[in-house]
Amino acid sequence: EVQLVESGGGLTQPGGSLRLSCAVSGFSVNNNHMTWVRQAPGKGLEWVSVLFAAGNIDHADSVKGRFTISRDSSKNTLYLQMNSLRAEDTAVYYCARITMTVYNWFDPWGQGTLVTVSS
Amino acid sequence: DIQMTQSPSSLSASVGDRVTITCRASQSISNYLNWYQQRAGRAPKLLIYGTSNLPSGAPSRFVGSGSGTDFTLTISSLQPEDFATYYCQQSYITPGTFGQGTKVEIK
Repeated sequence: EVQLVESGGGLTQPGGSLRLSCAVSGFSVNNNHMTWVRQAPGKGLEWVSVLFAAGNIDHADSVKGRFTISRDSSKNTLYLQMNSLRAEDTAVYYCARITMTVYNWFDPWGQGTLVTVSS
Repeated sequence: DIQMTQSPSSLSASVGDRVTITCRASQSISNYLNWYQQRAGRAPKLLIYGTSNLPSGAPSRFVGSGSGTDFTLTISSLQPEDFATYYCQQSYITPGTFGQGTKVEIK
């Protein structure tokens, strides 16, 4: 069964750091394109970071220089290292697989993990 | 960046109603348009990809259409489980930006 399970969220102060994990089963993170998407309370979806199967990465301008996406093939896990956190980073963070064929889409998604940045 | 604009932001409808949601892109995205459904407190779920293609398991009452900059999602007969928020996403430029969402509420 294909499943993504996020963890690592919690409460942290502005300027703090957190590392989110996305444990994957049913497919290899090494051979798939993976992404993080966040959703601030009561708001819409915002793409955050992408890690392509070839290893190239990209981040949204809002997190560039502060967040880093990575993967561990031995643990089949995707990560998001978040540094210099700000109040506006408060959100539920979802990981998802990107399927790229003629079209591309995000599916499946994990259940999400809540990050709260507050003093 | 490609901006995606949905309308309306919310709507009220009854079970059995036909519902249409519109999504407009700030530039042409051909037919690289996806739709997601997000029920309250749940993760988003892929509903339609490539403008009009239903993934396995998606109900046939969901119909997507459009091309270029203007797209629509139609629910032919609203069911109780369809009350949710719907997001469009352009996939013309990976990884893709989302619309702001349309919340479908019970009338």
